[in-house]
Amino acid sequence: KNQVEQSPQSLIILEGKNCTLQCNYTVSPFSNLRWYKQDTGRGPVSLTIMTFSENTKSNGRYTATLDADTKQSSLHITASQLSDSASYICVVSDRGSTLGRLYFGRGTQLTVWP
Amino acid sequence: EADIYQTPRYLVIGTGKKITLECSQTMGHDKMYWYQQDPGMELHLIHYSYGVNSTEKGDLSSESTVSRIRTEHFPLTLESARPSHTSQYLCASSHDREGTDTQYFGPGTRLTVL
Repeated sequence: KNQVEQSPQSLIILEGKNCTLQCNYTVSPFSNLRWYKQDTGRGPVSLTIMTFSENTKSNGRYTATLDADTKQSSLHITASQLSDSASYICVVSDRGSTLGRLYFGRGTQLTVWP
Repeated sequence: EADIYQTPRYLVIGTGKKITLECSQTMGHDKMYWYQQDPGMELHLIHYSYGVNSTEKGDLSSESTVSRIRTEHFPLTLESARPSHTSQYLCASSHDREGTDTQYFGPGTRLTVL
């Protein structure tokens, strides 16, 4: 069964600290993996996207890694800011763009305290 | 910031009412989607469209219906709302030009049926 599991479910850190969010998936065949950020009451916004051949992708203070062999991905946030408080969702696509469908994780709820 | 809009942002209605949730995008995307999301849960695809006059049901069974008469417009209708329809509804659109079919989400409509 194609699934996307994220951990931890929630996380609280202090402003300025780093953190790492995890994503494990069983989706096959694999096409690409995205990390989205969803602020409360808003729609998700894409942070990074990685295909099978990519191991790491950065977007400012966000760095995503992908290990296609173990089917694991992580999102590392450096020097966290209050505005990083949001839900971070891992999304895996099982095929090329035309026929691909997306599998969503439940997200990690990150809270950054001052 | 993606050019995809949803109205209303919040809606509280009584049981049995007919409602239409609006979604419009100005990016010229062929593909559009409707997702349902409950708090702390993953997004579930309920409808999608690959172009004008094309609509398909998603993975999650829904009593809602959609139409795609114009490329930029993808409204969702509930003929008779019930409390079980209370949820957040997210509209998204995508294109294949980047080869990865990234979906851009609207801000969502939070529906409460009393």
